[in-house]
Amino acid sequence: NAGVTQTPKFQVLKTGQSMTLQCAQDMNHNSMYWYRQDPGMGLRLIYYSASEGTTDKGEVPNGYNVSRLNKREFSLRLESAAPSQTSVYFCASSELGPTDTQYFGPGTRLTVL
Amino acid sequence: GEDVEQSLFLSVREGDSSVINCTYTDSSSTYLYWYKQEPGAGLQLLTYIFSNMDMKQDQRLTVLLNKKDKHLSLRIADTQTGDSAIYFCAEIPILNYGGSQGNLIFGKGTKLSVKP
Repeated sequence: NAGVTQTPKFQVLKTGQSMTLQCAQDMNHNSMYWYRQDPGMGLRLIYYSASEGTTDKGEVPNGYNVSRLNKREFSLRLESAAPSQTSVYFCASSELGPTDTQYFGPGTRLTVL
Repeated sequence: GEDVEQSLFLSVREGDSSVINCTYTDSSSTYLYWYKQEPGAGLQLLTYIFSNMDMKQDQRLTVLLNKKDKHLSLRIADTQTGDSAIYFCAEIPILNYGGSQGNLIFGKGTKLSVKP
């Protein structure tokens, strides 16, 4: 039981390049989330998926797209990376039960030059 | 609006107790959480408390909730150097919970430094 896994762990992009961050969970959770963490800003929600086949915008969705490929996987895509997207990205999942406790992946550290 | 506030830094000596404080604005929050983030790592759920509770204890951790003042605290007894990390307070406002979206609202984190 690996929990929430993310790939890659580190990535450096040039401005304008595109890439996809991958996330998978093996806890049979219904909901999945993408956050970004910036110094002094805490975590901010980019997109979430309440269930397979649905996605919704969070607090900071601009410049990102997501795909809930199946119940296990939730990917985050940057179509044209900008330096402002330099951040640490965390994926999380939750069961959508009474506690809605979210479990986090180890993060992807992205630098856009 | 929804907001969670924490002090940014706390420094204690090994063996002392640490108290990390948090205030939140949404009085309808259902669950309140404490997460720990060690350097270079993801967030680890430490504990949570339901909004109808005043206190929850789990080994060295004690969570106190003052719902009237919208104040949450995390006390770590006998603080060790391994407790050095950033601690995040988070809430799920009722609007989000009722819609079963589970969107956590995070504070900016308190960096705990433990000196030997």
